[in-house]
Parts: sequence; structure tokens; C-alpha cells
Amino acid sequence: QVQLQASGPGLVKPSQTLSLTCSVSGVSISSGGDFWSWIRQPAGKGVEWIGRIHGSGSTTYNPSLESRVTISLDTSKNQFSLSLSSVTAADTAVYYCVRELHSNTYYVSSDWGQGTLVTVSS
Amino acid sequence: DIVMTQSPRSLPVTPGEPASISCRSSQSLLYTDGNTYLDWYLQKPGQSPQLLIYVGSNRASGVPDRFSGSASGTDFTLKISRVEAEDVGIYYCMQALQTPRTFGQGTKLEIK
Repeated sequence: QVQLQASGPGLVKPSQTLSLTCSVSGVSISSGGDFWSWIRQPAGKGVEWIGRIHGSGSTTYNPSLESRVTISLDTSKNQFSLSLSSVTAADTAVYYCVRELHSNTYYVSSDWGQGTLVTVSS
Repeated sequence: DIVMTQSPRSLPVTPGEPASISCRSSQSLLYTDGNTYLDWYLQKPGQSPQLLIYVGSNRASGVPDRFSGSASGTDFTLKISRVEAEDVGIYYCMQALQTPRTFGQGTKLEIK
């Protein structure tokens, strides 16, 4: 059974960098051709896709956040990470790490972590 | 970006009755491989979203057969044949044709 667990500081000051890590169990993040994504959900608002990284290391980001986002892999720990710089209150949200399972010709966001709330405030 | 529009935003339903949620995309989600790249998720209160339907009409593992999805190029429907109390939550459609992935605004299903 695949499990994803996001962790990181729950409080970040404005203008600083938000850093989260997702620990994955039950599957190797560097094999199988899957993508590993970050998605966020501000309280009471819609769901926003942040970006993803392939098990090979290639990344794709949401253009709306691209200048501030970095997603990386740590295959030795079977983890992937999110870094979001120059945060403001608008970045306050629940952040989810998600597996996009490679199945036949398509990818399915089949496994979601429990979500971690990050608040941007001084 | 592909814009996803859901309706209704709120859906009160009597247990045992059917329910239907609509989603529309700003461009066709039908790909040259014949698949329509539209997924449905349910976010139960206090939980992460969970996959219900993928590629338009395929039920995810463990999803009851009272849930079904249909898809054309830009119009999509999630149907629940007989709503149960455990079906409450917010339903989202998401296009998986291209990045960035984009979601509908959500439909909140509640029990009357």
C-alpha cells in the first residue's frame, strides 16, 4: 500500500522560503515512471496544482508559481520536496503531496498525502 | 490554462435519491489516443481528496458502482445512482490533459 506523508514547518514568515518534504512508502519514487506532485488548497478556496517531478528528475511547474518553486527528489530517502520562495499570506494553504501513477498511456493522481497546513504570518 | 467550471456549487440530496454533478472544460479533453482526460475526486470532511473516476468513466479501485462518470469532449457528468450518507463532501473535477492540472471550483453534496 502506497502512503505519502508531508512534513515541514506549519508557520513561515512573509518573504521567507516555505520548505516541505513528502516521505513515500510502498513504492520507489525513482522507478515505475510515476510523477510526484504538490497541490495546495487555501482555506475555503479552490485547489491549485503547484508542479510535479518525474522519477527521472524532470520537473514541470505551474507558470503562475514557476519563478518561486523548486521540486526535488531525494531517492536515498525515498522523499521529494517542495521549496516556495518569497512567500506571502496568499501562500497560506493546506499542501498535499500526490502520486501521479503511470498507467498505460496516462497518469492518474491516485494517492494523496494527508495534507499539511502552512500559515504565512509574521 | 484550461478552465474547469462545475455546477451546481451546492447539492442537497435525500438519501436513496440520485445525484448528478456537471463539469465543463474550456477546451476539449479528448486526446488523439481516444481517452478523455477528466478525473473526479471526492474530498470528505477533514480528509484529503480521493480519486473516484479517472479518464472520464473508469471507477478507481474500491469505489462503489453507484458512482459513474460520462464524458464528451468538453462536457462531463458524475452520477450517483443512490446517495448514501457517506457520500457527503466536496466533489471536484480535474483535467489531466495538460499541465498545469486545473480543477473545478467544487460541488458540495449534503444530505437533506
